[in-house]
Amino acid sequence: DAGVIQSPRHEVTEMGQEVTLRCKPISGHNSLFWYRQTMMRGLELLIYFNNNVPIDDSGMPEDRFSAKMPNASFSTLKIQPSEPRDSAVYFCASSLGLAGDQQYFGPGTRLTVT
Amino acid sequence: GESVGLHLPTLSVQEGDNSIINCAYSNSASDYFIWYKQESGKGPQFIIDIRSNMDKRQGQRVTVLLNKTVKHLSLQIAATQPGDSAVYFCAETYAGGTSYGKLTFGQGTILTVHP
Repeated sequence: DAGVIQSPRHEVTEMGQEVTLRCKPISGHNSLFWYRQTMMRGLELLIYFNNNVPIDDSGMPEDRFSAKMPNASFSTLKIQPSEPRDSAVYFCASSLGLAGDQQYFGPGTRLTVT
Repeated sequence: GESVGLHLPTLSVQEGDNSIINCAYSNSASDYFIWYKQESGKGPQFIIDIRSNMDKRQGQRVTVLLNKTVKHLSLQIAATQPGDSAVYFCAETYAGGTSYGKLTFGQGTILTVHP
C-alpha cells in the first residue's frame, strides 16, 4: 500500500507567487484532511472533506487559501498570493470515514516563502 | 526579532526504562482519543487509540489510560528504545455537531531515549 502521497516534498517560492500543494489519499478512504504545522502554532487542521465535499473549512486562515477535491483520489491546497508567514509543513491525511477512524498522514510538504 | 515557538514538554529516559507521556484534553464531550508519534521529517504516525467507554487499552509495548473525570490521557511505553525518540501528540474528537470527525491535537511532548 502506497500510503498518502504528497507533492512536492519541498517548495521554495517568493512572496506573492501562487503555490499549489497536492495530495493523493489512500485508495478507498472517504475522508481527507489538510493540516499545517509550525513551531508557533503546532499542528492545525485547515479543512477536511468527506466524499469529496468540504465539511469544515473553519481552520483556513484567510481567503488566500483554498482547497479542492475534484475526485476521490486527488486534492489540492492552493495559496495565492503566498506570504512569508505561510512558511510551514503542510500535511495531508486520509481516513476511511469520520466516525472515529484512524487518520493516516502523508510525509508533508515543507513550504518556504521568501 | 526572534520568534517565540511552542515550548514543548520534554521527557528524557534511559533505554529499557518505561516512559509515561501525559496529556490534558479540553473537551469533556470528546469520545475518541488517539496518540500519534512524529519522527523528525515525517508525518504523524498512529500509535494507539481509545474510545470514551474504556479507561485502558493495550497495544504492543504501549498502553493508553483515559481518566474522563479529570480529562487526562496518558501513554505508557514499556522498555523504551532509542527508536521511540520522537514527538508524541495526543488528539481528541467527538462524534457530534459540526465538528464531527475533526481532530484537535495537543502541543506534543518530546521523548528522548538515551542508549
